Amino acid sequence: SQQGEEDPQALSIQEGENATMNCSYKTSINNLQWYRQNSGRGLVHLILIRSNEREKHSGRLRVTLDTSKKSSSLLITASRAADTASYFCATDARAGTALIFGKGTTLSVSS
Amino acid sequence: EADIYQTPRYLVIGTGKKITLECSQTMGHDKMYWYQQDPGMELHLIHYSYGVNSTEKGDLSSESTVSRIRTEHFPLTLESARPSHTSQYLCASSRRTNTGELFFGEGSRLTVL
Repeated sequence: SQQGEEDPQALSIQEGENATMNCSYKTSINNLQWYRQNSGRGLVHLILIRSNEREKHSGRLRVTLDTSKKSSSLLITASRAADTASYFCATDARAGTALIFGKGTTLSVSS
Repeated sequence: EADIYQTPRYLVIGTGKKITLECSQTMGHDKMYWYQQDPGMELHLIHYSYGVNSTEKGDLSSESTVSRIRTEHFPLTLESARPSHTSQYLCASSRRTNTGELFFGEGSRLTVL
């Protein structure tokens, strides 16, 4: 069953601009994670936010979580061409259960 | 960088062949997973294991099978490959904690002619 849905599906911006991606999910969660995938490669974990947290930062990344709206956003500030990738949110319905991934947002950053 | 390895990275085979995709991790993780991903699409969980001799099917029905005889090794087998099996297969592992951060291999891209 589809748990996470990212929005937009694709995003094109210029270097230096901020990129915002959104994720909505259907059921209650234990935590929500964001991953990055370069073309043809495996996924890399970016950041995890627990269900009792509202905001988290890591370098140029800022994640928010609104459990009342069942949604999360990932903000990448001062984007670089190297940020070009697909970004996925993933959730687990209960602690220790397998992650369910959304469809992803494809980000293209041009210099 | 994650210590999880998948072989082969690319495989092109004919219909009806038996194939095994290998996945090994050196992190001592108890939990391992196989996801299937078509180009530009979401990941679908097809198999997972929470330890040796433990395997479960995921959300997406798959004709593949898995085994977990050793902690570090989680191979996926297709007894008779078909063109519909053409996809990328991603292996991942995680520690036995509640956070569930996944470490992924580079993937095996399978093409069945």
